[in-house]
Formats: sequence, structure tokens, C-alpha cells
Amino acid sequence: DAGVIQSPRHEVTEMGQEVTLRCKPISGHDYLFWYRQTMMRGLELLIYFNNNVPIDDSGMPEDRFSAKMPNASFSTLKIQPSEPRDSAVYFCASWGGNSPLHFGNGTRLTVT
Amino acid sequence: RKEVEQDPGPFNVPEGATVAFNCTYSNSASQSFFWYRQDCRKEPKLLMSVYSSGNEDGRFTAQLNRASQYISLLIRDSKLSDSATYLCVVNFGPSGNTGKLIFGQGTTLQVKP
Repeated sequence: DAGVIQSPRHEVTEMGQEVTLRCKPISGHDYLFWYRQTMMRGLELLIYFNNNVPIDDSGMPEDRFSAKMPNASFSTLKIQPSEPRDSAVYFCASWGGNSPLHFGNGTRLTVT
Repeated sequence: RKEVEQDPGPFNVPEGATVAFNCTYSNSASQSFFWYRQDCRKEPKLLMSVYSSGNEDGRFTAQLNRASQYISLLIRDSKLSDSATYLCVVNFGPSGNTGKLIFGQGTTLQVKP
């Protein structure tokens, strides 16, 4: 199994631009999570899905952030417009209930 | 109060020392708990689950105290390779056992020769 696959690994963009982060979960896992990690705030849960349905998006910072999961093998996290304070490492993770939570390698986002 | 709280450290210990980390959580209904390890600039990885009766994996021991709502991790005979950030994870999902996995801020351990 290839594990959780995220793309891109690094993203550098200018303030105001749209950013789209992508995630392919482990096949068979029915939960998908998006986390954001910064030195100041640690690992924050943004949103999670169960069977492609968003269950809890209370961690999404504001309306500039949106996430979708059109099918069991793909999810996106979009930031529009991006701001410098969005700079962080964004992790996608998937979970199959009886298995551990598996993380992707993360996307390091820098907004200038 | 934060949902999951940890002492960020850093804990600086010599090789061979025993070190313990605690983590408190706010949801009395939580049913599943984990310790994850994160190395610098890497993704977190599961170290061990935490069971009600406590559990051990080699030099690592995890314990749960439901009454006081905390979990602990004990590392015996620490090695240089144990240097990392240790994150506790608590399930805040409906019924305390599905979905909403919340991480603590992490405790940094530095083991010195």
C-alpha cells in the first residue's frame, strides 16, 4: 500500500492567490482528516470526513477555507484567497477504525 | 480549557534515564487514546495505543486514568534515538470512540549522550 499521498509537497504562493491541496487516502479507510500544524498552535484538526461526508468542520478557520471529498479516493483543501498567516504544514490523514491514523507527508505552504 | 493539554517541555535527559509525560483531556466520554511520535519535519506516526488497563511495548509504558482524565507515557532506559516530539491523541467523536481525533501540542524530548 502506498500510504496516504499528498500533493504538492511544497507550495509557495503570493497573498491573494488560490491554493489547492490534494490528498489520496489509504484504500479502504473510511475516515479522512485535514490537520494544520504550526509552531504556535501545534496540530489543529480542520475538518474530517466519514464515508466522503463532512462530519465536523468546526476547526476550519474561516470561509476562505473549504474542503471536499468527491469520492473515497480523493479529497481537496482549498484556500481562497490565501494570506501569510495561512503558512503552515497541512497534513492529510486517513483512518480505518481498527487501524492507526496514517498521515501523509504533508504539504508545506508558504504564503508571501 | 484546551481539549487536550500537554507540557511542551523540552525535556532534556541523559541516555539511560527514565522520563514520563502526561496529557490531560477535557471529554469524559472519550474512549480511545493514543501516543504518536513526530520527528523533525516529518509526519506523526503511531507509537502506541493506550488501553484501559495500561499497556507496555518494550521500554514504553502507557497508562490511562479515567477518573482524572489523563494519560501518561513512560520511557525507560532512554536512547538518543528517542529524541522527538511525543503527541497524545484523544478521540472526541460521538460516543467517544469514532472520528474526531484531537492532538495535544506535543512534548519535546531531547536525549543527551
